[in-house]
Amino acid sequence: AAGVIQSPRHLIKEKRETATLKCYPIPRHDTVYWYQQGPGQDPQFLISFYEKMQSDKGSIPDRFSAQQFSDYHSELNMSSLELGDSALYFCASSLERGTYEQYFGPGTRLTVT
Amino acid sequence: QQQVKQSPQSLIVQKGGISIINCAYENTAFDYFPWYQQFPGKGPALLIAIRPDVSEKKEGRFTISFNKSAKQFSLHIMDSQPGDSATYFCAACRDLSGSARQLTFGSGTQLTVLP
Repeated sequence: AAGVIQSPRHLIKEKRETATLKCYPIPRHDTVYWYQQGPGQDPQFLISFYEKMQSDKGSIPDRFSAQQFSDYHSELNMSSLELGDSALYFCASSLERGTYEQYFGPGTRLTVT
Repeated sequence: QQQVKQSPQSLIVQKGGISIINCAYENTAFDYFPWYQQFPGKGPALLIAIRPDVSEKKEGRFTISFNKSAKQFSLHIMDSQPGDSATYFCAACRDLSGSARQLTFGSGTQLTVLP
């Protein structure tokens, strides 16, 4: 079965640089979520999209932005990177409103040096 | 403040034993409670989930027990195997103003099953 695809899997950036993370949801899934997981921490909700519209925001810094495109893939744009942004970034997708199951991708490991 | 409290932080079980992980929540708006299994460097994988109108759900060796009045739920892993060694997260979900459903995770339990 197709799963959530994330790219790149690993990313190394320097402070103050910009990074773009991509997420391709499971086919026919129309809702995308982004989560950030620090070392030894639980995943923290950042932002979600339903049918290409932002649905809700969590603890996403103002330096970050995201969008969902017509093909339902999503991109998380991170600017002015800080050392504290080093984490695993997960994308999850679900089928539609009222469907509870969220399926996670393998994650992108971002390291800021 | 952790909205979903999970314990224990770590758990060591012998092969064939029962692993029990507990979670508690405060927000009565939560209406869906999944458990995720995560291996190092991998994304969380949905293991089993329950809704508050059911007190127990079993799938293979995994069982969720749910106590709505106490606002607690637990994961039981029967006949634990070394391959079950992973981090387990409980989570809670509630409907949002929009269409998406935000997951709130517990702090995780590192399970080690000894051979």
